[in-house]
Amino acid sequence: GEDVEQSLFLSVREGDSSVINCTYTDSSSTYLYWYKQEPGAGLQLLTYIFSNMDMKQDQRLTVLLNKKDKHLSLRIADTQTGDSAIYFCAESTFSGGYNKLIFGAGTRLAVHP
Amino acid sequence: KAGVTQTPRYLIKTRGQQVTLSCSPISGHRSVSWYQQTPGQGLQFLFEYFSETQRNKGNFPGRFSGRQFSNSRSEMNVSTLELGDSALYLCASSGRQNPNTGELFFGEGSRLTVL
Repeated sequence: GEDVEQSLFLSVREGDSSVINCTYTDSSSTYLYWYKQEPGAGLQLLTYIFSNMDMKQDQRLTVLLNKKDKHLSLRIADTQTGDSAIYFCAESTFSGGYNKLIFGAGTRLAVHP
Repeated sequence: KAGVTQTPRYLIKTRGQQVTLSCSPISGHRSVSWYQQTPGQGLQFLFEYFSETQRNKGNFPGRFSGRQFSNSRSEMNVSTLELGDSALYLCASSGRQNPNTGELFFGEGSRLTVL
């Protein structure tokens, strides 16, 4: 079946690195995404990775993909209070002739001084 | 360029009533997807429309329906509301013909409370 799992909470100290983990089920997923949701707002795309890549780096963000274990992670270096938000992992899965996105439940990141 | 606009932002209904939510996508975007967000279930896919046609549907009962107009604006309707329908309903638009091979642009959502 289609399922994306994430831990629900993560608390880190300002300046430390945050690592948010995600597992997915569809081995044929071609795209995997990380979205960020700040309080009272919709989701905003942070980054995405193609399934033929192992790693993608974008400034303070590093995405690691382990296709064998169907494991995706998002590392935020030098975490700031402005990074406090809910982070959603999503896989693109093929259904009914088109791709649809399956989201995880979201990881709430709390950054404390 | 204006973003995705959802109306109303907040609404309160009672059980048994029906509700209609509206979404205006980014200008030029023809794909509109709807998601239900609840604390327990995360984001659940409702349906996706492209050029007035429903192309994909999630696992929701028939009380949940939607449509898309020729100007790409979309509405979703929930009939015979239940307490469990209380959620944030998010709309997302895409400029791609296949919306899930690129970025989805989300609105701020319509928060529905059913009493």
